[in-house]
Amino acid sequence: DQQVKQNSPSLSVQEGRISILNCDYTNSMFDYFLWYKKYPAEGPTFLISISSIKDKNEDGRFTVFLNKSAKHLSLHIVPSQPGDSAVYFCAATRLGGNMLTFGGGTRLMVKP
Amino acid sequence: DAGITQSPRHKVTETGTPVTLRCHQTENHRYMYWYRQDPGHGLRLIHYSYGVKDTDKGEVSDGYSVSRSKTEDFLLTLESATSSQTSVYFCATSPSSGRAGETQYFGPGTRLLVL
Repeated sequence: DQQVKQNSPSLSVQEGRISILNCDYTNSMFDYFLWYKKYPAEGPTFLISISSIKDKNEDGRFTVFLNKSAKHLSLHIVPSQPGDSAVYFCAATRLGGNMLTFGGGTRLMVKP
Repeated sequence: DAGITQSPRHKVTETGTPVTLRCHQTENHRYMYWYRQDPGHGLRLIHYSYGVKDTDKGEVSDGYSVSRSKTEDFLLTLESATSSQTSVYFCATSPSSGRAGETQYFGPGTRLLVL
């Protein structure tokens, strides 16, 4: 049973608009969450993270929101750019733990 | 970015043959990981290492073994390849485990096809 789920396999948005990628988790022991971005034929690269003691973390155009009661996090990209077109993976772990648990990924397409 | 290379980058093999994938890092990171990526499943951890000769199983370790004789190298072996092991394999490293702000750095991947 998947402990981290990204229910939207794909998302298409217009350049300049907001992209919202969603992620749900079931394991209440997770307390640290990350988003990775992956281009074709490359390995994933770290994008942004959030600890469970926060409900928001912002880095430039990227903001991650965490709703612990709903076990839900989201990644907002504003404004979206064509270069943001990639697969985005949500991941979760326990601080001090060795393993990341990944969601299935969401393919974002930003149209010019 | 951490200097992580994987070899080979592409491989086609036949069912029942052994296959070894290599991950090499130049960052002196303590932790190394092997993942497989399959559609709908994201990345799933196969095995990881927390030091030379120290390894442990991940979520999908059946049919795989690993070895780490040097800090910089982490080998993944498919003892007898099966078609279900057709996948893209990623190696990752991290300087330590789980501390806030630290992440895993991924290699470029190896695409394996088992016929």
